[in-house]
Amino acid sequence: DIQMSQSPSSLSASIGDRATITCRASQMITTSLNWYQQKPGKPPILLIYSASTLQRGVPSRFSGNGSGTHFTLTVSGLQPEDSATYYCQHSYVPPYSFGPGTKLQIK
Amino acid sequence: EVELVESGGDLVQPGGSHRISCAVSGFIFSSHWMSWVRQAPGRGLEWVANIKEDGSVKHYVDSVKGRFTISRDNAKNSLYLQMDSLRAEDTAVYYCARLISGIPETIDYWGQGALVTVSS
Repeated sequence: DIQMSQSPSSLSASIGDRATITCRASQMITTSLNWYQQKPGKPPILLIYSASTLQRGVPSRFSGNGSGTHFTLTVSGLQPEDSATYYCQHSYVPPYSFGPGTKLQIK
Repeated sequence: EVELVESGGDLVQPGGSHRISCAVSGFIFSSHWMSWVRQAPGRGLEWVANIKEDGSVKHYVDSVKGRFTISRDNAKNSLYLQMDSLRAEDTAVYYCARLISGIPETIDYWGQGALVTVSS
């Protein structure tokens, strides 16, 4: 099974800053990588799919990059509403595991 | 408007069985793979299972194989998760999720979740 890791586990940044979250897969997954945002008590929201495609309705300050085993999610010009936990998930072969999550706090 | 509404969350005894359901509306159910994803209290997301549009293909995470069964009734626009031999570690909010057509395991809509607590 493919294992997903994320770093950092938590991150604190100021409004207007840029935040970058890294996701690594234990084996090659081409660009089969999704990013989700989850706020407390709510279901996740799809941000990015296929490593770099922005989901409809998601602000353009979110961007994704990477292929193979190394991926990044970047949030530029942080806003207060970006405070959330972010998860990567591979969509390569089942089981489609998620990363452990990165908690982003906006100072 | 796309809606997914889970039902059946409950307190269940260890070793027991339980079924949760998901009623969908606002889209052509039979045109989408569907998934169940769970989240234990205070923990991260865990993919549980998915099922093809016509129900002919199903996949499971190892920890539930042989104990959980995903199914669907396209005539009733409903998704199900039958859970047997339940363990304390199965305690979680279970989310019903719709996959984008044509893109493997990419969830574009989620339900609000159903809490299943396994405890004596």
